[in-house]
Amino acid sequence: NAGVTQTPKFQVLKTGQSMTLQCAQDMNHNSMYWYRQDPGMGLRLIYYSASEGTTDKGEVPNGYNVSRLNKREFSLRLESAAPSQTSVYFCASSPGDGLSSGYGYTFGSGTRLTVV
Amino acid sequence: GQSLEQPSEVTAVEGAIVQINCTYQTSGFYGLSWYQQHDGGAPTFLSYNGLDGLEETGRFSSFLSRSDSYGYLLLQELQMKDSASYFCAVRGAYSGTYKYIFGTGTRLKVLA
Repeated sequence: NAGVTQTPKFQVLKTGQSMTLQCAQDMNHNSMYWYRQDPGMGLRLIYYSASEGTTDKGEVPNGYNVSRLNKREFSLRLESAAPSQTSVYFCASSPGDGLSSGYGYTFGSGTRLTVV
Repeated sequence: GQSLEQPSEVTAVEGAIVQINCTYQTSGFYGLSWYQQHDGGAPTFLSYNGLDGLEETGRFSSFLSRSDSYGYLLLQELQMKDSASYFCAVRGAYSGTYKYIFGTGTRLKVLA
């Protein structure tokens, strides 16, 4: 099925460990995003990539890095996990991010990360 | 700065009509969208308003008034499966690109 695929679905890390969350889309979308969702906080943008080869910071980028490996794949890396990074992480994609775009975002099913 | 306000929770009975409001403050405005999220699931796109007025998609309608910085989602003929969280998201201009900022969500409970 077409869409956004995230791996892993669940992960438990110890403080200080590192890991990479993977995201791939097969809709030929230009733009990809990483959000985190915490109770009562809605969705907050961590990083985004408006097109292949570009990345930029969102609202809450500290402690994260990203790589837009190609048009399909956009990974999120936690170099040294902290308990404050316990959250649900969603990857999303959209056809474009230009002015004329009324497209919605397609979200992956999420990664539930716990840092202990 | 950017901010969105929506009620935290709304309760209604099956078959009723419910309106979820969203007021926003943003740097530039390029559209308002609504998303539905069931517990444990991913947000799914419901509607987009780029211009003032009402957009209708089946039982769901969304309204925008740019002069009032206000929009709402209207759900008609409520069904139990509509119990979910609903997020408004405003598209503004940030650092030269156009991205959505999401509200904190409204939890809709539909009672039998």
